[in-house]
Amino acid sequence: DGGITQSPKYLFRKEGQNVTLSCEQNLNHDAMYWYRQDPGQGLRLIYYSQIVNDFQKGDIAEGYSVSREKKESFPLTVTSAQKNPTAFYLCASSIPGLPNTGELFFGEGSRLTVL
Amino acid sequence: QKEVEQDPGPLSVPEGAIVSLNCTYSNSAFQYFMWYRQYSRKGPELLMYTYSSGNKEDGRFTAQVDKSSKYISLFIRDSQPSDSATYLCAMSLGQGGKLIFGQGTELSVKP
Repeated sequence: DGGITQSPKYLFRKEGQNVTLSCEQNLNHDAMYWYRQDPGQGLRLIYYSQIVNDFQKGDIAEGYSVSREKKESFPLTVTSAQKNPTAFYLCASSIPGLPNTGELFFGEGSRLTVL
Repeated sequence: QKEVEQDPGPLSVPEGAIVSLNCTYSNSAFQYFMWYRQYSRKGPELLMYTYSSGNKEDGRFTAQVDKSSKYISLFIRDSQPSDSATYLCAMSLGQGGKLIFGQGTELSVKP
């Protein structure tokens, strides 16, 4: 079955440590996204990538980094510079094109807790 | 002021009730309007989308867009306990524009 796989589902981190969240898709979608979800705040865009080897900052990129070396993969690193990293992280993909409805296909999320 | 406003709830209704979920927005240039459903500890999934103004119906669900009032709604008829989830509205300018999400409304349908 085609879809988006995020791992790990749950992750605990000590303050000052970097962690990397994995996102793999087999939908053959060009565009991939990382969102952060906090209670009462909806989804906020961290980074997105429209094509391999290219990515753009979203609304809350500070303290995060990404890479897009393969079409299928878009890992997110939460660095120690991120002041409040405890959150639910969602990876998504979409088919850019005309007309672009913006429909996103989401993974099941990774919950990061900083101890 | 946020670009998209949505009452976070929680909203609790008895089984069989008609549910109305709403969002307001400030950017009149939005063209695509979407509703996502998110079950607990899962990723959101697209429920319905509408282009520009008007209504769209899919089974028990009806999406409504009123661009003159900058207001969108999702109606659920004959609500079921399986409809219990968080509902997120989202909108975009289209043509590759990013999605802007509302805060999400948590709905609970009691048997």
